[in-house]
Amino acid sequence: NAGVTQTPKFRVLKTGQSMTLLCAQDMNHEYMYWYRQDPGMGLRLIHYSVGEGTTAKGEVPDGYNVSRLKKQNFLLGLESAAPSQTSVYFCASSYSGTSGNTYEQYFGPGTRLTVT
Amino acid sequence: SQKIEQNSEALNIQEGKTATLTCNYTNYSPAYLQWYRQDPGRGPVFLLLIRENEKEKRKERLKVTFDTTLKQSLFHITASQPADSATYLCALGPIKAAGNKLTFGGGTRVLVKP
Repeated sequence: NAGVTQTPKFRVLKTGQSMTLLCAQDMNHEYMYWYRQDPGMGLRLIHYSVGEGTTAKGEVPDGYNVSRLKKQNFLLGLESAAPSQTSVYFCASSYSGTSGNTYEQYFGPGTRLTVT
Repeated sequence: SQKIEQNSEALNIQEGKTATLTCNYTNYSPAYLQWYRQDPGRGPVFLLLIRENEKEKRKERLKVTFDTTLKQSLFHITASQPADSATYLCALGPIKAAGNKLTFGGGTRVLVKP
């Protein structure tokens, strides 16, 4: 099992450019999440999904959109990148918890994004 | 809104000693609390989950306590080793009504010196 994978690992964008970050998991998890991590700010939830075709806003959703067309994939889009979106982005997945009390989240390796 | 505080200063500790990390929270009464480890350049890895009705949880050299009255969790690494050097994150949750989402603290960096 590859677990949670993220593409790309690094990316540099210019202000106003768009891009999509791809997250894939092979653990058949129902739930998936996108976080950003900034120095001194910890992990902050951007958007999450409880199943195929459903998404919800997290703590810091502005400037981002997401889609979950397939259970194993969760896409994070930046339509018009801004320097404030320079960060490390992490994807995570978890079971729904209904099949046993397994609430841990499994994280990908992260994508380091710089917006100039 | 929920607020989670972890000591932002790095904890330097001698090998063999016990490292103790603190996680304090306000404006929330979580039913669960989790601890994760994060190494530089990598994603967090789950370590332990403790429930509100559990005072203490252990896993190998790790021990977590959860005091819902003080709104505090303590994370102990006993007989610390240089390989324990990492950042440790506290997280409140899951919030079952909201996709089992977690709210993370800023993390405490631990450096174990040989």
